[in-house]
Amino acid sequence: DTGVSQDPRHKITKRGQNVTFRCDPISEHNRLYWYRQTLGQGPEFLTYFQNEAQLEKSRLLSDRFSAERPKGSFSTLEIQRTEQGDSAMYLCASSAFEEGAYQETQYFGPGTRLLVL
Amino acid sequence: GENVEQHPSTLSVQEGDSAVIKCTYSDSASNYFPWYKQELGKGPQLIIDIRSNVGEKKDQRIAVTLNKTAKHFSLHITETQPEDSAVYFCAASITTGGSYIPTFGRGTSLIVHP
Repeated sequence: DTGVSQDPRHKITKRGQNVTFRCDPISEHNRLYWYRQTLGQGPEFLTYFQNEAQLEKSRLLSDRFSAERPKGSFSTLEIQRTEQGDSAMYLCASSAFEEGAYQETQYFGPGTRLLVL
Repeated sequence: GENVEQHPSTLSVQEGDSAVIKCTYSDSASNYFPWYKQELGKGPQLIIDIRSNVGEKKDQRIAVTLNKTAKHFSLHITETQPEDSAVYFCAASITTGGSYIPTFGRGTSLIVHP
């Protein structure tokens, strides 16, 4: 257990429905990342926050996806009008960013597995 | 953008043997290379990393080597044990400018037979 939790762990939904996932990072971590992982692939970056500011979004993040981290602690990822192609594992990671550090260890949560029927 | 290729996709070894997983990257600006282990039902966990000004790094049974000129890096696991069975991912990132977003390889499923 890395200390990063995600809820729910599994979600089955019908095409066209909206879904929301939650990530609770390690408490003192200032950065929070969202990734998507499909079968047989490595995680793909979606977006990340430093405190409450969303600093970068991938081109993978269509306008149906929105993420928030309102108080710089937990984060939510919402997918509107889900499509079958959204079926994947959604991973959250957190880290303690320090200016000038050469590395940033990201601690991943267990993921939320989404199946869109 | 960065592209990371990882081989093999599946690696089957006997307990006690060594395992080697190889990755290549495309962006010569990449300077940080972490390796992750992902067990079934869990998120990836960092097991070792290397920065571009270092050629090799060891941590007990695990070592990573980096060839900047050839743009490839490898993970070496010696004396493999059944609990090493998992999917391993390499990644590359550019850590200048305060952004540490890794590009991952497609993963190697390591199976260690007792």
